[in-house]
Amino acid sequence: DAGVIQSPRHEVTEMGQEVTLRCKPISGHNSLFWYRQTMMRGLELLIYFNNNVPIDDSGMPEDRFSAKMPNASFSTLKIQPSEPRDSAVYFCASSGQGALYGANVLTFGAGSRLTVL
Amino acid sequence: AQSVTQLDSQVPVFEEAPVELRCNYSSSVSVYLFWYVQYPNQGLQLLLKYLSGSTLVKGINGFEAEFNKSQTSFHLRKPSVHISDTAEYFCAVSGPSFGATNKLIFGTGTLLAVQP
Repeated sequence: DAGVIQSPRHEVTEMGQEVTLRCKPISGHNSLFWYRQTMMRGLELLIYFNNNVPIDDSGMPEDRFSAKMPNASFSTLKIQPSEPRDSAVYFCASSGQGALYGANVLTFGAGSRLTVL
Repeated sequence: AQSVTQLDSQVPVFEEAPVELRCNYSSSVSVYLFWYVQYPNQGLQLLLKYLSGSTLVKGINGFEAEFNKSQTSFHLRKPSVHISDTAEYFCAVSGPSFGATNKLIFGTGTLLAVQP
């Protein structure tokens, strides 16, 4: 398996622009997580899905952030409009259930580094 | 709700010396505990996990951790470190129904800086 795939790896945009980050989880995994990492706040859980359904979005900073998971193999995190304080590395991670899929273990993507000017 | 505390933000150590990275957690229910490592410009990679059973858990790259319920700790150890172990290490905790009803909470991380 290619692991969790995130795109783009790097994004530089101007304040006010829309940003869309994409994630393809590991095939067979049924839980998907979006984290944000900054020097000031460390790793923050933004939202997570189970079987494509959002379970907990209490970490989403504000209405400018939205996340979707239209099917088991794809998720997006959108920021509209973006602000400089959104600059961070955004990680997607997935997890399966049962011993076959490594239950209770998160597999992380390489991250998307976002810079908002 | 669970929380995890990593008291040391940075641990400098000389190559081939032993190291211990500290992690304490709080929870009102049974927990699962994890250590992840993050190398520069990369995602997080699982080092080891404690779900149940033996309290001494062995992971990759020669690392091990011991679950101590009375001390609510899960410290990470390695008897002899290498330059290549230089990275950020994260302790994490979740409740017993991970995924469907719980989430993984990370500590603030400890930078292990191995010097020659």
